[in-house]
Amino acid sequence: AQSVSQHNHHVILSEAASLELGCNYSYGGTVNLFWYVQYPGQHLQLLLKYFSGDPLVKGIKGFEAEFIKSKFSFNLRKPSVQWSDTAEYFCAVRGGADGLTFGKGTHLIIQP
Amino acid sequence: DTGVSQNPRHKITKRGQNVTFRCDPISEHNRLYWYRQTLGQGPEFLTYFQNEAQLEKSRLLSDRFSAERPKGSFSTLEIQRTEQGDSAMYLCASSVGTTPSTDTQYFGPGTRLTVL
Repeated sequence: AQSVSQHNHHVILSEAASLELGCNYSYGGTVNLFWYVQYPGQHLQLLLKYFSGDPLVKGIKGFEAEFIKSKFSFNLRKPSVQWSDTAEYFCAVRGGADGLTFGKGTHLIIQP
Repeated sequence: DTGVSQNPRHKITKRGQNVTFRCDPISEHNRLYWYRQTLGQGPEFLTYFQNEAQLEKSRLLSDRFSAERPKGSFSTLEIQRTEQGDSAMYLCASSVGTTPSTDTQYFGPGTRLTVL
């Protein structure tokens, strides 16, 4: 069965700091990878996705993620965070099954 | 609003009662998914439909849970004889495409269930 591990459950940064959230998955076959974000009081929204091709994918609001197949990783990055990036971030994988497998999430707090 | 909608948004029930939730997907989305999310966890997949056919069920979906999508549009999720462990946020997502491996799921706001 596939699984997703997000290493940091809580991250606190100051505005303008750089961000990297780790995500590792376990599945030996072809995968689709996603990052979803949940802003306070809102529902899950797609941030970016990887299906195939260029392993560096760009999403909304200046986020990007890099798929490193040899490391089974799909880390999320942003060069300069803003207070409005405060949210819960979920990494998800789709492998052998059609439903998504999510990590436990990372709660990101940006201090002004 | 053309997103996924779910009703009710909140449901409080007593242990042993039956509850039913409804999900309306984005118009013309042929796939519909149900997930459950408990505090401090990511969403966990329960089941999914392609049109009216239920194609996949997680082992999390016990016999007390049943889902339907009778006309390939909205879906209902029923929990019979609720238990306190059923307390969670129930999320619905929809997608469109020829194969699940190329589509993107869009999530609704969820129904928060509290079992007393």
